[in-house]
Amino acid sequence: GEDVEQSLFLSVREGDSSVINCTYTDSSSTYLYWYKQEPGAGLQLLTYIFSNMDMKQDQRLTVLLNKKDKHLSLRIADTQTGDSAIYFCAESSLGGKLIFGQGTELSVKP
Amino acid sequence: GAVVSQHPSWVICKSGTSVKIECRSLDFQATTMFWYRQFPKQSLMLMATSNEGSKATYEQGVEKDKFLINHASLTLSTLTVTSAHPEDSSFYICSATRGSSGISYEQYFGPGTRLTVT
Repeated sequence: GEDVEQSLFLSVREGDSSVINCTYTDSSSTYLYWYKQEPGAGLQLLTYIFSNMDMKQDQRLTVLLNKKDKHLSLRIADTQTGDSAIYFCAESSLGGKLIFGQGTELSVKP
Repeated sequence: GAVVSQHPSWVICKSGTSVKIECRSLDFQATTMFWYRQFPKQSLMLMATSNEGSKATYEQGVEKDKFLINHASLTLSTLTVTSAHPEDSSFYICSATRGSSGISYEQYFGPGTRLTVT
């Protein structure tokens, strides 16, 4: 079945860049997503990328997709303490359900 | 726009009782709503997909008689945990999509409901 894998923890210093990585197995994935979850809260969609794109940039966020290796990354530039949260990678095929990774807990130290 | 609310935000109930959780789309009509369950430090697991006016579709391993889902209107879906047990304690999150196609990038998530069964 489909599987999405992420590293569990990442710690960075304020002002540095953060890179969160994700791998997936479903070759029919159409959309790939990054969600942010703050403690005790629901999910906030940060950005998504269509599978025929290699890169998408939105302000401090850069998403890179290597479709051949089924590897997705999220880079957060100038990471702030407010960026501390759990980041979920997710994928779906067209019209299909979302498959989430385990989440990466990002800790930003001042 | 595209705000989804859940009520209650947290609930504590005794073992054997039933609990109802509401999911509302506040400013759009949601033809499809999804219910997820999240254990501490773990990912979201889809429990069921709910379409307005029809029976919910449950994921494999989810007991439909235990987790009753009703999607009676275009703005409200309810999840009832019947005869709750401590192992049902979890964070339940709903999401809603505007279109019937269920195109995933249009899913809007609620803030979640923390259920604790004692």
